[in-house]
Amino acid sequence: EAGVAQSPRYKIIEKRQSVAFWCNPISGHATLYWYQQILGQGPKLLIQFQNNGVVDDSQLPKDRFSAERLKGVDSTLKIQPAKLEDSAVYLCASSAWNPGQGAYEQYFGPGTRLTVT
Amino acid sequence: GQQVMQIPQYQHVQEGEDFTTYCNSSTTLSNIQWYKQRPGGHPVFLIQLVKSGEVKKQKRLTFQFGEAKKNSSLHITATQTTDVGTYFCAGDRPSGSARQLTFGSGTQLTVLP
Repeated sequence: EAGVAQSPRYKIIEKRQSVAFWCNPISGHATLYWYQQILGQGPKLLIQFQNNGVVDDSQLPKDRFSAERLKGVDSTLKIQPAKLEDSAVYLCASSAWNPGQGAYEQYFGPGTRLTVT
Repeated sequence: GQQVMQIPQYQHVQEGEDFTTYCNSSTTLSNIQWYKQRPGGHPVFLIQLVKSGEVKKQKRLTFQFGEAKKNSSLHITATQTTDVGTYFCAGDRPSGSARQLTFGSGTQLTVLP
């Protein structure tokens, strides 16, 4: 099956500019996540969707970040305006039950590497 | 909020040596997952532990979940160069909501040939 797709793979912008990232999860996966991974750190959850509803956005900086998943499939994450500290890899993941593992397994996309100058 | 800490942050081993990374949570976990991220890649799911004291093995990898469900470890026997990468634990909070993982900071493993 196809994996989680993300675009663009790389983006360089100046501070105060806007940027948007796109994610298409694995077909049939109801849960979608956006993570921010700063170099040398673990992924930090920004927002979690179940179908087209938000389950958790407690760590999303809502003054500048927004995300939507209008039709319960693909999703976009936007930053407006960007700050230097937003430089990171933005990972999208979707999850499904893996009966072999007895676990909800998260499948990550390749990520978008954002550099804010 | 929930915090998950991992040690060591970095580990360099000679090929053939063993490797262990430890994960500690500030709160009791409902389960813990382990992921591997190759350099330049994205996290890949390895395993989930659910039961107190659970031990699972995948070839040369042994995963343990503590009795109190607040700590976990990953042990690799006889490391190979293919084991290079960063290993993350991710704790799942014991709530009724959909799965939400808090990732540790990871242990970056370098295997010297």
